[in-house]
Amino acid sequence: GQQLNQSPQSMFIQEGEDVSMNCTSSSIFNTWLWYKQDPGEGPVLLIALYKAGELTSNGRLTAQFGITRKDSFLNISASIPSDVGIYFCAGHYGGSQGNLIFGKGTKLSVKP
Amino acid sequence: DTEVTQTPKHLVMGMTNKKSLKCEQHMGHRAMYWYKQKAKKPPELMFVYSYEKLSINESVPSRFSPECPNSSLLNLHLHALQPEDSALYLCASSRASSGPTGNTIYFGEGSWLTVV
Repeated sequence: GQQLNQSPQSMFIQEGEDVSMNCTSSSIFNTWLWYKQDPGEGPVLLIALYKAGELTSNGRLTAQFGITRKDSFLNISASIPSDVGIYFCAGHYGGSQGNLIFGKGTKLSVKP
Repeated sequence: DTEVTQTPKHLVMGMTNKKSLKCEQHMGHRAMYWYKQKAKKPPELMFVYSYEKLSINESVPSRFSPECPNSSLLNLHLHALQPEDSALYLCASSRASSGPTGNTIYFGEGSWLTVV
């Protein structure tokens, strides 16, 4: 079946540092979504990508839809303590609404 | 703030109880979802309703029974659950329109379920 490889699994960084995480797949996707989940809460949509090569920013966050349509990355610039949480990528490979695959998540810890 | 509202936020139930989780969205979305999430894991799809009709059931045990009374509401009825069913249950919605943007899913804050 479809699988997404998300890396790294976890990151420990200093406040103010930049962060980069990515997701790759052997399959083509037509939508990439990036979510952040705080403890005890539901995932919050950060960025949605719909076209190969698309580069989209949301404040300090930037994400790109890979040209091959098999990968995506998320960058966070100048990290702050509230960036702590688990970041999930998700890719939709078309067809029915249920065809959304999640990565296993990247847990981000920020040291003040 | 999420526009998908779930109640209750926390629920503790015994294995013989019957309870329900409720979800509401007012974004005009026509697809609604139930996901189950265990600690440190990604969400797992349980059910999808598209235009108020059940379109996907991911082989979920019958002790979980979904219901979609109208395009804004989604319920998950729970009966005779097991302790291993304890998890965060997430409701979500999407536009369901054709094209990639129709598949962008928005989650609620979740309902924490503990089965004792």
